[in-house]
Amino acid sequence: GENVEQHPSTLSVQEGDSAVIKCTYSDSASNYFPWYKQELGKGPQLIIDIRSNVGEKKDQRIAVTLNKTAKHFSLHITETQPEDSAVYFCAASRPSARQLTFGSGTQLTVLP
Amino acid sequence: NAGVMQNPRHLVRRRGQEARLRCSPMKGHSHVYWYRQLPEEGLKFMVYLQKENIIDESGMPKERFSAEFPKEGPSILRIQQVVRGDSAAYFCASSPDSLNEQFFGPGTRLTVL
Repeated sequence: GENVEQHPSTLSVQEGDSAVIKCTYSDSASNYFPWYKQELGKGPQLIIDIRSNVGEKKDQRIAVTLNKTAKHFSLHITETQPEDSAVYFCAASRPSARQLTFGSGTQLTVLP
Repeated sequence: NAGVMQNPRHLVRRRGQEARLRCSPMKGHSHVYWYRQLPEEGLKFMVYLQKENIIDESGMPKERFSAEFPKEGPSILRIQQVVRGDSAAYFCASSPDSLNEQFFGPGTRLTVL
C-alpha cells in the first residue's frame, strides 16, 4: 500500500520568514495530494491540494509543488504569521481508492 | 453551509463498555470516511462508506469495530468491549460524489478508563 513520509517533524521559524515542509510517497499511481492544518483540539482543515497533472499551485501565501518523477511534494508558506502555528499534514491518494494516507505531521511554530 | 458534524465531542468509557460515535456529513456529500488519530501521530484510515454500503473497510480492526451509514441519519462508528488501546481521536470526513476533497469534522475524543 501507499506510504507517505513527512519531514521535518518540528519546524520553528521567525515571523515573516518562509516555512517549507516536504513529503515523499511510494505509490506511483497516487494522483491527489492534499495538505491539512490541524490546530490543537480541532479537526484537520484542508488548506491546499494538488493533482498530478500540475506541478505547482498557489493560494496567497501558500503554495504546493509536486515532482512526480521523484515522488515528492512540498508545502511552502511565505511571510509566516503566529496564527500559522499548527500541525501540518500531507496526504496522498490514488484514483482507485479514495482513502487518504497521511504523513506523520509537522509541528510548525512561528515565533513573534 | 454547515460543516461535518460529529458527536459527542468527548466520550469516556470504562473497559468492556460500548462506544458509539456519530457523524453527519456536509450537505450534499454522500461519501463518509472514518480515521483514527493516536496521540502525537498522523491520521490512519479505518473505513469508507456510501449510503447503505461499506466500500472499503481495510483499515478497520476485524473484531469489535463496525461502521454503518444508513439511508436516513448519521454514520455510526461502533466499538464494542472497548480497551485502553482504543483511546484516541476519531475523525469523520465527507466528500461529494465527483471529487477527492475530504472535509473533516471536529472529531470525537474517546478515553477508555
